[in-house]
Amino acid sequence: KAGVTQTPRYLIKTRGQQVTLSCSPISGHRSVSWYQQTPGQGLQFLFEYFSETQRNKGNFPGRFSGRQFSNSRSEMNVSTLELGDSALYLCASSLPSLDGELFFGEGSRLTVL
Amino acid sequence: GQQVMQIPQYQHVQEGEDFTTYCNSSTTLSNIQWYKQRPGGHPVFLIQLVKSGEVKKQKRLTFQFGEAKKNSSLHITATQTTDVGTYFCAGRNNDMRFGAGTRLTVKP
Repeated sequence: KAGVTQTPRYLIKTRGQQVTLSCSPISGHRSVSWYQQTPGQGLQFLFEYFSETQRNKGNFPGRFSGRQFSNSRSEMNVSTLELGDSALYLCASSLPSLDGELFFGEGSRLTVL
Repeated sequence: GQQVMQIPQYQHVQEGEDFTTYCNSSTTLSNIQWYKQRPGGHPVFLIQLVKSGEVKKQKRLTFQFGEAKKNSSLHITATQTTDVGTYFCAGRNNDMRFGAGTRLTVKP
């Protein structure tokens, strides 16, 4: 079956702009979580969604937001971009179980100039 | 909030040597998972540990979950060049928090 699909794969923005990233989970997966990955920082948890509801949120400013649609697809938005937002943004889907393994997409690499 | 610490940050070994990475949480975890990310790739699930004191093996890889369910380790015996990558632990309390990862390089 198809894996987790993230779009776009690469994008370049300038400071002050906003960006929207999309994630299509594996069919049947209803839980989607987002992570920011930067060198040396590992994967920083952004948010987790299940059935269109945000279940958990990490320690990121309000400029970072997300949502999940009825078909389980998810989007995250970053407004007023800063240079420090340059990172690989990873989306992961899982079955709706707290014990489920995460299936990651290839990520969206954002560069902010 | 929940924090997951992982050491070392980097490890360079000669092929055939052993490798261990350690993970420690500030809170008790319901489970811990391990992932491997190859250079340029995305994290891929390796294993999940749930029970206190649990030990699981996958060929040359041995995973342990501490008695207090706050720490874990991954040990690779006789590393091979195919083991190269970054190994992450991820602990779940309410949400899944990842350690910073241990980047393993193997010299042939």
